[in-house]
Amino acid sequence: EVQLVESGGGLVQPGGSLRLSCAASGFTFSSYWMSWVRQAPGKGLEWVANIKPDGSEKYYVDSVNGRFIISRDNAKNSLYLQMNSLRAEDTAMYYCARRISSDIWGQGTMVTVSS
Amino acid sequence: IQLTQSPSSLSASVGDRVTITCRASQGISSYLAWYQQKPGKAPKLLIYAASTLQSGVPSRFSGSGSGTDFTLTISSLQPEDFATYYCQQVNSYPLTFGGGTKVEIK
Repeated sequence: EVQLVESGGGLVQPGGSLRLSCAASGFTFSSYWMSWVRQAPGKGLEWVANIKPDGSEKYYVDSVNGRFIISRDNAKNSLYLQMNSLRAEDTAMYYCARRISSDIWGQGTMVTVSS
Repeated sequence: IQLTQSPSSLSASVGDRVTITCRASQGISSYLAWYQQKPGKAPKLLIYAASTLQSGVPSRFSGSGSGTDFTLTISSLQPEDFATYYCQQVNSYPLTFGGGTKVEIK
């Protein structure tokens, strides 16, 4: 079964850091672009970052560029999002997704930034 | 690139034909996808490349358009179609989503 499972969310203070993980199974992870997309409570979808299959290209939304780092480990079939200097406005459900036009999504992991 | 969806919400009955529009602030060729999201669930891809139906998606869903103007049409609304729908441009970075259209039961 093709599946993505996120983990690593939680409550963090403003200025803190968190690392999200996404475990992929059921497909050849190393062949696909991967994405992170977030959704603040009661709000719409916001694309966060993309990474090329070999990790050589990465793209970010302006609001996280310089604070977040997307990475992957193809040997472990895993995608990551290192989030630093977190702000209240980063509070959201974070989804990992396969492909740029995302055909497979995880269930999401909630990140809450609050003191 | 900004995407403007209209309407932001609509009420419709089972069996109705529903059309949602998505307008891009600049031309994006056919680099547009449509998603359906139900409360508490991850989005689901319906349409990619503006008009290509994702595998497993019912044929009552269709997409059209190119350049700046796009539409998602549900030919005969079913009970399971009540949800929020989003368009997404994948033409250039940063990728962007429309604000969403909530389809509610009349």
